[in-house]
Amino acid sequence: GEDVEQSLFLSVREGDSSVINCTYTDSSSTYLYWYKQEPGAGLQLLTYIFSNMDMKQDQRLTVLLNKKDKHLSLRIADTQTGDSAIYFCAESIESSTGTASKLTFGTGTRLQVTL
Amino acid sequence: DTGVSQNPRHKITKRGQNVTFRCDPISEHNRLYWYRQTLGQGPEFLTYFQNEAQLEKSRLLSDRFSAERPKGSFSTLEIQRTEQGDSAMYLCASSFRDNPYEQYFGPGTRLTVT
Repeated sequence: GEDVEQSLFLSVREGDSSVINCTYTDSSSTYLYWYKQEPGAGLQLLTYIFSNMDMKQDQRLTVLLNKKDKHLSLRIADTQTGDSAIYFCAESIESSTGTASKLTFGTGTRLQVTL
Repeated sequence: DTGVSQNPRHKITKRGQNVTFRCDPISEHNRLYWYRQTLGQGPEFLTYFQNEAQLEKSRLLSDRFSAERPKGSFSTLEIQRTEQGDSAMYLCASSFRDNPYEQYFGPGTRLTVT
């Protein structure tokens, strides 16, 4: 079955790196995602990685995927106060039509950035 | 703004009433998704459309819920005989035919059932 787990809370100092972790159970996941949600807002797609990749870097964001352990992480370099938000990990599985359909989300990690 | 839009942003209704939400996807996005998010949880998938065809429905979508996308553009989600347990944020997302892996979300409609 599909299950995505994340720790609930992370606090870091401004300027430090943040690492948010996620584990998933479905080995047939094809894409894994990180979304950001600020208070009262919808979800912003930050980045995603195809399951045959180990790493993806996009400016301050680095995604690491350990498919053997079903572990995904998001590293934010030089964390800023504007990075304070809830970060959701999500997985999608290729549908019978050959394209990704629904996303299954974790419960989210609240990132607090302190001065 | 060419992002996904949702209306209304907030809806307060009494238990037993019907409510309808609207989602306008990004132009030319052929896939449209509905999710529900309760407090402290991640979004949960409800249903999705490819053009006007509803291709998948979650078991969360009871018979009081119905979604339509009649012309393959905007979509509506109706909840009949609302219950307090329906109180949640209802999120819409869309994706493009040539890149179905990127789902872009709207700001959501927050429903409060009193």
